[in-house]
Amino acid sequence: DTAVSQTPKYLVTQMGNDKSIKCEQNLGHDTMYWYKQDSKKFLKIMFSYNNKELIINETVPNRFSPKSPDKAHLNLHINSLELGDSAVYFCASSQGTGNSSPLHFGNGTRLTVT
Amino acid sequence: GQNIDQPTEMTATEGAIVQINCTYQTSGFNGLFWYQQHAGEAPTFLSYNVLDGLEEKGRFSSFLSRSKGYSYLLLKELQMKDSASYLCAAMDSNYQLIWGAGTKLIIKP
Repeated sequence: DTAVSQTPKYLVTQMGNDKSIKCEQNLGHDTMYWYKQDSKKFLKIMFSYNNKELIINETVPNRFSPKSPDKAHLNLHINSLELGDSAVYFCASSQGTGNSSPLHFGNGTRLTVT
Repeated sequence: GQNIDQPTEMTATEGAIVQINCTYQTSGFNGLFWYQQHAGEAPTFLSYNVLDGLEEKGRFSSFLSRSKGYSYLLLKELQMKDSASYLCAAMDSNYQLIWGAGTKLIIKP
């Protein structure tokens, strides 16, 4: 009965490879997000989708491409991985946007680029 | 610019009380959140304040002063399982969350 689930939990890959991270939520939420948490623990918003439509696209290299096939899924594809992409990536969801609904996070994907 | 400040690390004793402070500067304000994050796990929601004052929720309470751009999280009767990072996040006028780097709380027996 996991609320927000993302796979894989760990991802080790070499520079230049392409990889994807999948996320699904069963909370019936309208809005989904991708966050990056670096070694200093700052959470940085990357993307936000509301009902499958992109509403936030922060300054993220275009090597990162989110895809939302339906409002319960938001996947993240990363092309040409670089060392600096190593971080923990969190998927999250909330009920709607423009309100105070709290975020529900997935357990994170620890990406290590060698 | 928009900014959140909170201490990097705090240490407290089991059974005691600890207060974690957070100051924020945002373009507009639509509330302040506290999240708990255990090592290697996801952040989980603790509290939300948008009006001045204290909100109590069991052993945890959160306080907000909008005029001072200040909030604190108060943890009472500390337990070992409270060892975690505590993230403060303020919501700006566009409902975007501005996150602090988190306060790592270490509980000693």
